[in-house]
Amino acid sequence: ETGVTQSPTHLIKTRGQQVTLRCSSQSGHNTVSWYQQALGQGPQFIFQYYREEENGRGNFPPRFSGLQFPNYSSELNVNALELDDSALYLCASSFGGYLTDTQYFGPGTRLTVL
Amino acid sequence: KQEVTQIPAALSVPEGENLVLNCSFTDSAIYNLQWFRQDPGKGLTSLLLIQSSQREQTSGRLNASLDKSSGRSTLYIAASQPGDSATYLCAVSTGSEKLVFGKGTKLTVNP
Repeated sequence: ETGVTQSPTHLIKTRGQQVTLRCSSQSGHNTVSWYQQALGQGPQFIFQYYREEENGRGNFPPRFSGLQFPNYSSELNVNALELDDSALYLCASSFGGYLTDTQYFGPGTRLTVL
Repeated sequence: KQEVTQIPAALSVPEGENLVLNCSFTDSAIYNLQWFRQDPGKGLTSLLLIQSSQREQTSGRLNASLDKSSGRSTLYIAASQPGDSATYLCAVSTGSEKLVFGKGTKLTVNP
């Protein structure tokens, strides 16, 4: 059984650019959630996808968007990057979209915006 | 709006000591509470999940309790080891399909 994987590991972009981060969920999981973790803070919920449909969104602007594919892998896209977007981006997978399920986290993508 | 607070923000203890980390949340209408461990620059490792109907969970040297009515949870670590050094995060699952996290407690166990 493979765990949650994310790519790339690190990324450096400049302000105004666009970025795509990728996540492969754990085998058998159909739900993916994305979180942003700024330095010294706890992760903050961006959005969740369940069976390719958005299933909840946190307090993030529309320039943060996502996709989930038929194999349940997922992408997070951020347009018009700002300096404050520098953070560790974590994805987590679970089965069924149920609130009682444990979420399994990937290692994260460290994004630096210059 | 659900808010999660963790006290203390940092803790340094000698090896072998038993310790308690605290987590409080403002809205008792939660589905579950999870404790995570995070090593520097890394992802999160789930340690314990307590459903809202449960009072505690145990895994090895770790024991987590939940008092939903008072909005509190504690993580007890017995016989701490240098390998336990990490940041410990608690998170509650709310009705909007998301986890709400505290800022974490940074634990250092000194040999």
